[in-house]
Amino acid sequence: GQNIDQPTEMTATEGAIVQINCTYQTSGFNGLFWYQQHAGEAPTFLSYNVLDGLEEKGRFSSFLSRSKGYSYLLLKELQMKDSASYLCAAINRSGGSYIPTFGRGTSLIVHP
Amino acid sequence: DVKVTQSSRYLVKRTGEKVFLECVQDMDHENMFWYRQDPGLGLRLIYFSYDVKMKEKGDIPEGYSVSREKKERFSLILESASTNQTSMYLCASSFRAGQPQHFGDGTRLSIL
Repeated sequence: GQNIDQPTEMTATEGAIVQINCTYQTSGFNGLFWYQQHAGEAPTFLSYNVLDGLEEKGRFSSFLSRSKGYSYLLLKELQMKDSASYLCAAINRSGGSYIPTFGRGTSLIVHP
Repeated sequence: DVKVTQSSRYLVKRTGEKVFLECVQDMDHENMFWYRQDPGLGLRLIYFSYDVKMKEKGDIPEGYSVSREKKERFSLILESASTNQTSMYLCASSFRAGQPQHFGDGTRLSIL
């Protein structure tokens, strides 16, 4: 089966840097996504890693190590609006299908 | 911009009713997905489809069925609604397999 682990909740201060970790144990791994979900809203795509290394997109970066089954999302210069749930999702290839498995999400609270 | 539209934002139904949740996307995406999201459990995949008239079971298909008669529309059917199907239901689509998903705003379904 597939197993995705991420912390349930994190808190951080406005202006700081926070790293949200995600570990996965899957077969047929084909990439990892990060999504942001504000309360009462739909998840929105943040980043995608398929190869090892760091992908940078403005204040947000995501890292992947396939050999360690590990990823993190790095948020810099935190703003109050970054308070949201962050979802890690692994894509697994099974036969001809690409099947997404989501972690339970990390609720990030940014305080002044 | 991709638009994924779910027919209802809130829905209340009675135990035993047959319930239809509709989802339409306007960007000619091949892939469509249905999830339910529950507190503490995250997003769980119910069914997905990679082509018209094609469907595959996700992690929790029991008690549900789907229909994809046209490329843009993916319907989730609760054959005989039960109280444990009270949840937030999210539809998503992606251009191709393994690519980022675009989510609808969700349908909060209550079964009484």
